[in-house]
Amino acid sequence: EDQVTQSPEALRLQEGESSSLNCSYTVSGLRGLFWYRQDPGKGPEFLFTLYSAGEEKEKERLKATLTKKESFLHITAPKPEDSATYLCAVQAIGNQFYFGTGTSLTVIP
Amino acid sequence: EAGVTQFPSHSVIEKGQTVTLRCDPISGHDNLYWYRRVMGKEIKFLLHFVKESKQDESGMPNNRFLAERTGGTYSTLKVQPAELEDSGVYFCASSRLSGANVLTFGAGSRLTVL
Repeated sequence: EDQVTQSPEALRLQEGESSSLNCSYTVSGLRGLFWYRQDPGKGPEFLFTLYSAGEEKEKERLKATLTKKESFLHITAPKPEDSATYLCAVQAIGNQFYFGTGTSLTVIP
Repeated sequence: EAGVTQFPSHSVIEKGQTVTLRCDPISGHDNLYWYRRVMGKEIKFLLHFVKESKQDESGMPNNRFLAERTGGTYSTLKVQPAELEDSGVYFCASSRLSGANVLTFGAGSRLTVL
């Protein structure tokens, strides 16, 4: 069964305190793994797509990595404006997207 | 470019009533998806249009849900009659037919069934 699990559910960091969010997945044929950011009252906003194990993508303080079983979203020296829910999704061979429940990140000034 | 627009942003109805949600995708995006998030759970797939055709509706919960995309532009999702368990946030997303298939989401329509 295609499944995405994210951990932790919630994470509180001090400003500047680096950490990582995890997304483990089982899928019948991975077409892509996507990271989204969601702010309250808004829809998910695209961050990264990763297609194959070993691939990495970076954007400002965020860096996403991918292995055959999981992906990490590394946050380096976060700022309060990085506070949001981060969602991981996988696109399976049948084109369906499967989402995790997300990690709610709070960065305290 | 204008984003994905959803209407209404919030709807409160009583059990047994009908609600119609609307989604206007980004112009030129032939893929249109409906998703739903029930409180505390993950965003779940409902169905996928390619232009005006239903490509995959395997996520539709039951026959109380009807989605249409006339002319391949905007889409509607009707719930009739609504039940308590239909409450949640309904997201629409669109993407181009070719390329990376990056979904652009709307802000969602929150449905509360009392």
